[in-house]
Amino acid sequence: AQKITQTQPGMFVQEKEAVTLDCTYDTSDPSYGLFWYKQPSSGEMIFLIYQGSYDQQNATEGRYSLNFQKARKSANLVISASQLGDSAMYFCAMRERVRTASKLTFGTGTRLQVTL
Amino acid sequence: DVKVTQSSRYLVKRTGEKVFLECVQDMDHENMFWYRQDPGLGLRLIYFSYDVKMKEKGDIPEGYSVSREKKERFSLILESASTNQTSMYLCASSLSGGGNYEQYFGPGTRLTVT
Repeated sequence: AQKITQTQPGMFVQEKEAVTLDCTYDTSDPSYGLFWYKQPSSGEMIFLIYQGSYDQQNATEGRYSLNFQKARKSANLVISASQLGDSAMYFCAMRERVRTASKLTFGTGTRLQVTL
Repeated sequence: DVKVTQSSRYLVKRTGEKVFLECVQDMDHENMFWYRQDPGLGLRLIYFSYDVKMKEKGDIPEGYSVSREKKERFSLILESASTNQTSMYLCASSLSGGGNYEQYFGPGTRLTVT
């Protein structure tokens, strides 16, 4: 069974600083993908970034990058130059193919607060 | 833009009532999902559907059923609501096949069972 672990329930970071949110995973499937989603206080889930298990390079999307270390089974999210609007819950998730769908298993989340 | 809508943002029901949560997506996605979100537990998959009339149990299907009669609509049914089903319910949809398999989420329904 797939498992995602986020060990940081809460994090603080100062505005304009970089922050790393941790995510480790466990799977026996050689083909998998890892996602990060952001959930602001309004409740919507916003897709941030995706990394496939066979991707050679770490994924980047603007200020977001994914530090993918396959041997360590970690997929940490790095947010550079934090902004007040980055304050939110962040979820790491892993996909598993079932039939023609991709089922996601989520971690318990990290609440990030950006301070002045 | 993909749009996933849910029938209610807030819902209050009594114990024992039959509850329907509706989800509609407008991007012709094959796959649809129902999750519940509880503090400290993240999102947990209840059921998903990969085609019309097809469904698969997720990690916590007990006490729930689903219906998908049309491609764009996926309903979550609580046959006899109980207080431990008080939660935030999130619907999502995605394409099948290649790509990053991103799931698009609705705004959520906060259900309170009293």
